Amino acid sequence: SYEVIQPLSVSVALGQTARITCGGNNIGSKNVHWYQRKPGQAPVVVIYTDSKWPSGIPERFSGSNSGNTATLTISRAQAGDEADYFCQVWDSSTAHVVFGGGTKLTVL
Amino acid sequence: QVTLRESGPALVKPTQTLTLTCSLSGFSLSTSGMCVSWIRQPPGKALEWLALIRWDDDKYYSTSLKTRLTISKDTSNNQVVLTMTNMDPVDTATYYCARFLYGDSVYYFDSWGQGTLVTVSS
Repeated sequence: SYEVIQPLSVSVALGQTARITCGGNNIGSKNVHWYQRKPGQAPVVVIYTDSKWPSGIPERFSGSNSGNTATLTISRAQAGDEADYFCQVWDSSTAHVVFGGGTKLTVL
Repeated sequence: QVTLRESGPALVKPTQTLTLTCSLSGFSLSTSGMCVSWIRQPPGKALEWLALIRWDDDKYYSTSLKTRLTISKDTSNNQVVLTMTNMDPVDTATYYCARFLYGDSVYYFDSWGQGTLVTVSS
C-alpha cells in the first residue's frame, strides 16, 4: 500500500518561512492535499490539489509537488499557525485515502 | 452551507459494536462526485482513514479494519452510518466524518464535522 512520510516536527521563527514536507514514491504523480488541525478543532484544508487555495485561506500558505516530495510552505509565520499539519493523497490503485503521520509546527 | 455532524455513544465497552451517525446538510449524497468518509484520530496520534461511501453507493474500507467496518447511507434522511464491531481500548479516538470530493483531480476532504470522542473502556 502507498505510504507518505512527514517529519514529526518543524520549528520556525515568528515571521519566517516554514516548510513541511510529505514524501512518497513518485508523489509528484499524485494530487496532494494539506490539512491544518488545531487542538480541539476539526481539520481544515489549507491547500488542495498540490497548490490551490480554498476560500478563506491566506496566500501565505502555498504548496508544491514534484518527484518524491510535496511541500507545504507557510510564509511570514504567525503564532496562530501553530498546529498539526497532515498531507493526504488518494491511492487510486487501492481506492484508499492515505494520510501522512502529521507534522507539529511550532512558531518560536 | 455544508455541515456535517457526528453523533453516537461517548463510551463503549470492549467487544461491543460502535454505531456512529453523520448527519449532512447543505449537499446531497446522491449528487455525482459527492462522498462521505469516516476518519479517526487516537489521542496524540495521526489521522487514520476508515471508510468511504460514494454517491453511487460504492464503498471503500481501510485494509486493516475492513473486517470490522460497515458504512452505509440513508439518502432520504441525509445520513451516513458507520458500524465498527468488536471494539477495543485501542479504538479510543475522536471520530470524524467528512465530505470527500471525488473526481477531476480532486480527491480530498473539503468539509469536516467537529468530531466525537469515543472511549472504549469497561
